[in-house]
Amino acid sequence: AQSVTQPDIHITVSEGASLELRCNYSYGATPYLFWYVQSPGQGLQLLLKYFSGDTLVQGIKGFEAEFKRSQSSFNLRKPSVHWSDAAEYFCAVGVNSGGYQKVTFGTGTKLQVIP
Amino acid sequence: DAMVIQNPRYQVTQFGKPVTLSCSQTLNHNVMYWYQQKSSQAPKLLFHYYDKDFNNEADTPDNFQSRRPNTSFCFLDIRSPGLGDAAMYLCATSREALYQETQYFGPGTRLLVL
Repeated sequence: AQSVTQPDIHITVSEGASLELRCNYSYGATPYLFWYVQSPGQGLQLLLKYFSGDTLVQGIKGFEAEFKRSQSSFNLRKPSVHWSDAAEYFCAVGVNSGGYQKVTFGTGTKLQVIP
Repeated sequence: DAMVIQNPRYQVTQFGKPVTLSCSQTLNHNVMYWYQQKSSQAPKLLFHYYDKDFNNEADTPDNFQSRRPNTSFCFLDIRSPGLGDAAMYLCATSREALYQETQYFGPGTRLLVL
């Protein structure tokens, strides 16, 4: 079965600093990978996704992620964090389960941004 | 704007009193999903509909049921809520059920069980 690991439960960065959120997955084939963001009390918003092709994926709000097959990783990055980026970030993997999509989420990383 | 709408945003119910959560979508997507998200945990898929076909996850308790009367609406029924059912319930849609499809989420309904 597939799984997603986000090793950092909570990260604090200063506004303007760079950010990297880690994500590792376990799946027998090439998965479909997603990063979602969830602001407090809100639903999930898709930041970016990777299916194939260029392993560096650009998303919304200035985020990017890099797929590294050899490391089974899909880390999310942003060169300069804004206070509005404070939220919880979920990495997810989409796999074929009996002909249907099943998305498995990681446990999330809470980002705190300090002035 | 096309979107996924959930009502109500907050729902308070009593232990054992049936409750229904609502989701509607203007995206005309074929698939609708219900997730349960407990505090500081990942969303957990309860079930999904592909059109009228209902697909239950193996570990979803019988206490949770769902209805999809038409393409636009999907309901989550909790027959006898327990204290452990207090959570955020997220509705999502996707155009198709293929595993590369993006899921679009509603804002969620936070359920409190007294």
